[in-house]
Amino acid sequence: AQSVTQPDIHITVSEGASLELRCNYSYGATPYLFWYVQSPGQGLQLLLKYFSGDTLVQGIKGFEAEFKRSQSSFNLRKPSVHWSDAAEYFCAVVPSGGYQKVTFGTGTKLQVIP
Amino acid sequence: KAGVTQTPRYLIKTRGQQVTLSCSPISGHRSVSWYQQTPGQGLQFLFEYFSETQRNKGNFPGRFSGRQFSNSRSEMNVSTLELGDSALYLCASSSKTSGGRDEQFFGPGTRLTVL
Repeated sequence: AQSVTQPDIHITVSEGASLELRCNYSYGATPYLFWYVQSPGQGLQLLLKYFSGDTLVQGIKGFEAEFKRSQSSFNLRKPSVHWSDAAEYFCAVVPSGGYQKVTFGTGTKLQVIP
Repeated sequence: KAGVTQTPRYLIKTRGQQVTLSCSPISGHRSVSWYQQTPGQGLQFLFEYFSETQRNKGNFPGRFSGRQFSNSRSEMNVSTLELGDSALYLCASSSKTSGGRDEQFFGPGTRLTVL
């Protein structure tokens, strides 16, 4: 069955520290991959996306993600976290060539401590 | 350009009632998708409409239905409400039809509470 896994439900990092949020998928072929962020009381905002090509993808707010086909992973990274990054992060996949039937991971809640 | 708007933002209903939620996409966007977000189940895809046609449907019972109008505005209806329908309902719009590659822009959601 197709699935998206975010193994970390909650992560706490110190401001200025680096961050890596994990995402693994299980699909027959490489799907389209996305990371979204949701601040409290808000909708989701797209951080970055991967369709094909360069496996290191740059996004907004200083985030980047690396696609690793061998590990079926698409981990999100940021070299230095800011307090305003505290939010919930969702990995999402869409079957390549399919329409907008998005499957989201369960989310990782990020807490940033001073 | 105005973002995706959803009305109402908050709604309280009782079991057995029905509810209609509204979504206005970004101007020019023709695809509208609906999602249910709950603490237990996370974000789940309900359905997607494009040019007034339902193009994709998630695994929800028939109590959940939707429609899209010629101006791309969309409504979602839930009949015979159950306690488990309490959730944040998110609407997202995108501009094109090209196979899932398009960025979806999300509205702030409608918080539905069923008592």
